[in-house]
Amino acid sequence: RKEVEQDPGPFNVPEGATVAFNCTYSNSASQSFFWYRQDCRKEPKLLMSVYSSGNEDGRFTAQLNRASQYISLLIRDSKLSDSATYLCVVYSSASKIIFGSGTRLSIRP
Amino acid sequence: DTAVSQTPKYLVTQMGNDKSIKCEQNLGHDTMYWYKQDSKKFLKIMFSYNNKELIINETVPNRFSPKSPDKAHLNLHINSLELGDSAVYFCASSYGSGGTNEKLFFGSGTQLSVL
Repeated sequence: RKEVEQDPGPFNVPEGATVAFNCTYSNSASQSFFWYRQDCRKEPKLLMSVYSSGNEDGRFTAQLNRASQYISLLIRDSKLSDSATYLCVVYSSASKIIFGSGTRLSIRP
Repeated sequence: DTAVSQTPKYLVTQMGNDKSIKCEQNLGHDTMYWYKQDSKKFLKIMFSYNNKELIINETVPNRFSPKSPDKAHLNLHINSLELGDSAVYFCASSYGSGGTNEKLFFGSGTQLSVL
């Protein structure tokens, strides 16, 4: 089993839709979690941290479920500019940072 | 002003050559990293330096040698390039000492193609 797994997609949804994807991790001792966004041929950029209590940033909501060892990202009212690859990042320890392979999202007009 | 800058953006070279990629950050961060993103888009950490000291050294062939002349610079030298080294290499930095809650700031990447 991979340490961090994501559905690669692509998710192809119409503008205005709500879309959600998950990321599972295998190490129950993992300490912190993030979502990054990577546009085609560009560098990854931090989207948001993920907390157990859940956190929201505008149209984006991130959630952590430690019992089931997954994190989720929900995007409401999706925009064309949300089209990108979304990378799940898990810190198992200070020296172990694992990136998921990414979920591709494509928003169509 | 570019926060994390790496050069060159594209590097095309023959097998067996030696090449370097340079990285500089002007964010005042203490920790810098090198990541490799292969054709399957997996991002894997290669090295991490905190204040010029090596703190992460993943299983990377010893043909890859990082050098940090100061905490704002982390260069990557690759000897005897192989076809399998073709990938996008990203430099990154973070504010603290490489702990578990640190956000990474990436450079724009260097596309290395080995022919």
